[in-house]
This record gives sequence, C-alpha cells and structure tokens, in this order.
Amino acid sequence: DAKTTQPTSMDCAEGRAANLPCNHSTISGNEYVYWYRQIHSQGPQYIIHGLKNNETNEMASLIITEDRKSSTLILPHATLRDTAVYYCIVRVKAAGNKLTFGGGTRVLVKP
Amino acid sequence: DADVTQTPRNRITKTGKRIMLECSQTKGHDRMYWYRQDPGLGLRLIYYSFDVKDINKGEISDGYSVSRQAQAKFSLSLESAIPNQTALYFCATSDSPHGAQHFGDGTRLSIL
Repeated sequence: DAKTTQPTSMDCAEGRAANLPCNHSTISGNEYVYWYRQIHSQGPQYIIHGLKNNETNEMASLIITEDRKSSTLILPHATLRDTAVYYCIVRVKAAGNKLTFGGGTRVLVKP
Repeated sequence: DADVTQTPRNRITKTGKRIMLECSQTKGHDRMYWYRQDPGLGLRLIYYSFDVKDINKGEISDGYSVSRQAQAKFSLSLESAIPNQTALYFCATSDSPHGAQHFGDGTRLSIL
C-alpha cells in the first residue's frame, strides 16, 4: 500500500470548515483513498473513500487532485464531537484487505 | 458502531489464562477482522475471515486463534495469555474488497 503523509495536528474553530490534507505521491492506479477517524477510546470510524472523483456523503467531502498524489478531507461544519485523530489510508485489494493506519492528524475543534 | 458488538469491553486476567473475545455483527457482512492496537503502533491485523469456511492469518497471528461460528460471529482466543498481549482489540466487518470496514468499540485487555 502507498505511504501517506499527514500533518501531525491541527486546530479548527467550531462551526467552520476543517480541511485535512494528505499526500500520497506514490499511489498506484488501483489504489483507493480512504479516510477514517478515531475518537478517544472508540473504534475507528469510516468516513469516506474515493478512487479519482470527488466524493461527498453526510459526514464529509473528499477532494482528490487530478494526478491523485494528494487529497483533502473536508468537514463542512466542524463540531466539538469531531475532535479525533483522522487517518488517510491508501490501499489495494490484496493483502487481506487489511487497514494500515499511519500517525494520522490529531484534530482539535475549539469553541 | 452498534452494529458490531464486542464483548467484554474490558478484561483483566493473569498470565497463562485462556481468554476469548467475542464479536457479533448485524450488518450481514461476510468479511470479519480482528486487529490489535498498541500505543504508537496503529492497528495490526491478527486474523481475518471472508466467510464462514475461510480463515486467514494476519501479520501477527502467533499466540492467537479464531473461530467463525456463523456469518455474524467471529471469536478471538488467546490460548495462554502473556503480558505483551495487553492491548486494545478491535473487531471489524466489511462487505466487499474495496468496502469500508466498520469497527466495534473494542475490548481493552490487560494481562498481569
């Protein structure tokens, strides 16, 4: 699976959009970009995934650059409950479909 | 995710004991996984199962065994627990190779 690079931490104001970047310059053509988050003491939570088109669901939007070497997760209106560690994962179909979590970005939403 | 239930949520036990962690799901997914999480090491895959008759070792299966009793149930056993198996254990499910994985809330296991 391709390696990803994320900022270690970021702060966001409650009610504002949170834009979380991820670099994955070695991504292969058949690899998807997934985003998960883990709120303290809870299991990881799936947010969104995409291959090359931008995606949106009830939780977030995913913007993938045309060359697919980077992406941005957008939380449109951050709430205090969005405080968590956010993981960007790039993965292939093989290897037992395991998830490999890197360091992630620790997001703190402030009032 | 209430659709994936892990029991117990917390367990403290002694070295050498046999431990079973249970996972049940109501999502109807065929694929189930067991991970452990240690501080600073992220998630590591222990075992995974693509259906009731299919069991596969993950990257750290030594010291663990699993049983897929039904589509909805996947149990993880530590035959003889040792202190370095102290960790947070997660069960997850998925419905396709590219699908998202849905996690339970974890079992915090401490082995003294």
